[in-house]
Amino acid sequence: AQRVTQPEKLLSVFKGAPVELKCNYSYSGSPELFWYVQYSRQRLQLLLRHISRESIKGFTADLNKGETSFHLKKPFAQEEDSAMYYCALSGYGETSGSRLTFGEGTQLTVNP
Amino acid sequence: GAVVSQHPSRVICKSGTSVKIECRSLDFQATTMFWYRQFPKQSLMLMATSNEGSKATYEQGVEKDKFLINHASLTLSTLTVTSAHPEDSSFYICSAPDRAGELFFGEGSRLTVL
Repeated sequence: AQRVTQPEKLLSVFKGAPVELKCNYSYSGSPELFWYVQYSRQRLQLLLRHISRESIKGFTADLNKGETSFHLKKPFAQEEDSAMYYCALSGYGETSGSRLTFGEGTQLTVNP
Repeated sequence: GAVVSQHPSRVICKSGTSVKIECRSLDFQATTMFWYRQFPKQSLMLMATSNEGSKATYEQGVEKDKFLINHASLTLSTLTVTSAHPEDSSFYICSAPDRAGELFFGEGSRLTVL
């Protein structure tokens, strides 16, 4: 069975501080990992996926298979980063990112 | 980017009635759509995969007869909550992948059963 765990439901940092949102997963095969973000009163949207190895809005995430983690990081948080962040896993490599298992989500608040 | 639209955004119904929620891909075709359920302050839980032209695939523990899914066309999937009860009150979200496989989500539909 696949599972995604986000240990922090709430995370609060000050503007300009580094931020790390933790995500751990369990999956027997080769997973595809994603971070989705939901800003206030908006729909869920893709932030980044591990296969792209991109930096989106200053965020990066590295898949660590040894630690089964996919933590989301940003060196200098901005107030506009305040949102709900979901880590998600897809075990179906053919249809990338479709059948997703979501973590519980972390509400990030960046204080001025 | 691609847009997925859900209707209605909010619905209130009496216990025992059925409610239909629509999910449309506005500018792309989707042979597959996904339906999720989200309880307050909890994660999204995948309910079923809607397949155009064939039966939906339900996740374990989801009642097929309770949550009827119809993928009528390449741009429309509907979720019907039959004989709704207060415990069915929830936030229902759909998503659809574009050609590149990126998932786009609807704005969600909040169902309240009195």
